[in-house]
Amino acid sequence: EAEVAQSPRYKITEKSQAVAFWCDPISGHATLYWYRQILGQGPELLVQFQDESVVDDSQLPKDRFSAERLKGVDSTLKIQPAELGDSAMYLCASRRAGLPDEQYFGPGTRLTVT
Amino acid sequence: QKEVEQNSGPLSVPEGAIASLNCTYSDRGSQSFFWYRQYSGKSPELIMFIYSNGDKEDGRFTAQLNKASQYVSLLIRDSQPSDSATYLCAVTLRASYDKVIFGPGTSLSVIP
Repeated sequence: EAEVAQSPRYKITEKSQAVAFWCDPISGHATLYWYRQILGQGPELLVQFQDESVVDDSQLPKDRFSAERLKGVDSTLKIQPAELGDSAMYLCASRRAGLPDEQYFGPGTRLTVT
Repeated sequence: QKEVEQNSGPLSVPEGAIASLNCTYSDRGSQSFFWYRQYSGKSPELIMFIYSNGDKEDGRFTAQLNKASQYVSLLIRDSQPSDSATYLCAVTLRASYDKVIFGPGTSLSVIP
């Protein structure tokens, strides 16, 4: 069964350092989402890709966060510099475009900023 | 007003009882509605989706949608301790490239 892959699963970094997360969606899924989930809250959409294009990044803190999906397949989310408030679970999800279909989530990356 | 709202809980029900989880949304153009279950430290997993007004049943789970009231609910019959988790309501916004907005989640505890 196809799955969304994410790495690393866990990351501990010091504040002001750079950190990057990687996501490989299910093959053929044109839509890719990055969410941030703070403990006790629902996932918050950071950025949404349609193929290689960003279609929504309204909640992405662009002064420190960046995201890319260069070939419309896998994606990288970067934080530089990391702040204590960035400690959260970072979830990647993918979905077939144009269909009323559900998102498939990866296992997530748990980030702790010290 | 938040786009998707849920009772934060925690909701506690005895084993075997019916658990009722509620969700309201603000965008009248919303088309797709999802319920996800999330165990502590894990990623969300889809339980059910519903697109049309009325009820949709899948095993012990029933989703109910009322678009006029902008309300969607999830009923869990014969609740089991393994149902203890956080339940997330998610809504697709019609006019924005399938943007999916999640509610804050409701924590459910099923007491043996």
